[in-house]
Amino acid sequence: EAGVAQSPRYKIIEKRQSVAFWCNPISGHATLYWYQQILGQGPKLLIQFQNNGVVDDSQLPKDRFSAERLKGVDSTLKIQPAKLEDSAVYLCASSGEAASSYNEQFFGPGTRLTVL
Amino acid sequence: AQKITQTQPGMFVQEKEAVTLDCTYDTSDPSYGLFWYKQPSSGEMIFLIYQGSYDQQNATEGRYSLNFQKARKSANLVISASQLGDSAMYFCAMRGFNTNAGKSTFGDGTTLTVKP
Repeated sequence: EAGVAQSPRYKIIEKRQSVAFWCNPISGHATLYWYQQILGQGPKLLIQFQNNGVVDDSQLPKDRFSAERLKGVDSTLKIQPAKLEDSAVYLCASSGEAASSYNEQFFGPGTRLTVL
Repeated sequence: AQKITQTQPGMFVQEKEAVTLDCTYDTSDPSYGLFWYKQPSSGEMIFLIYQGSYDQQNATEGRYSLNFQKARKSANLVISASQLGDSAMYFCAMRGFNTNAGKSTFGDGTTLTVKP
């Protein structure tokens, strides 16, 4: 079974530029998560999708971050414009029905973003 | 709302000894799950163990066991017979299944160093 795929693995941009990350979850997984992990901290949930609907985006800085999950499969996370404090690893994870029972989250390798 | 607290930024343990990593949580959700993940320096997030809020027995997975004390809202991870490869960051996480609709929350982690 293929794992969660993310691209790119690394990205370096100047502040005020735009950047987009892509995630392909495990086939059949209904729930997709985007996390921001700043160095030395735990992952912070940015947005959680159930199929192609948003379950939670309370910690997503909506003035600059956006995410979509078309057709309930792949997802993209965009930052526009980027700030220095956006430097972090962006993790994508997927699981089965998150709200009904135990379902382990499977994580992708992450995208390391550096904003200069 | 959900919150995970890990009060030990760093822990040291001698090889072959047991170590306990602390985790306390807070939630208003009557049904929830507690997870532990390991994150080595390579950055991947590895699932270790799960405990459901209604599970009668403490979870065990090989050398990992979860000391679940529901009344105290604690879910400590016990690693027995530590190995050098156990050196990593460890995260406690939770997911609420009712009012929180599967929302995922992580703690800030504990760095474990195993000494030879």
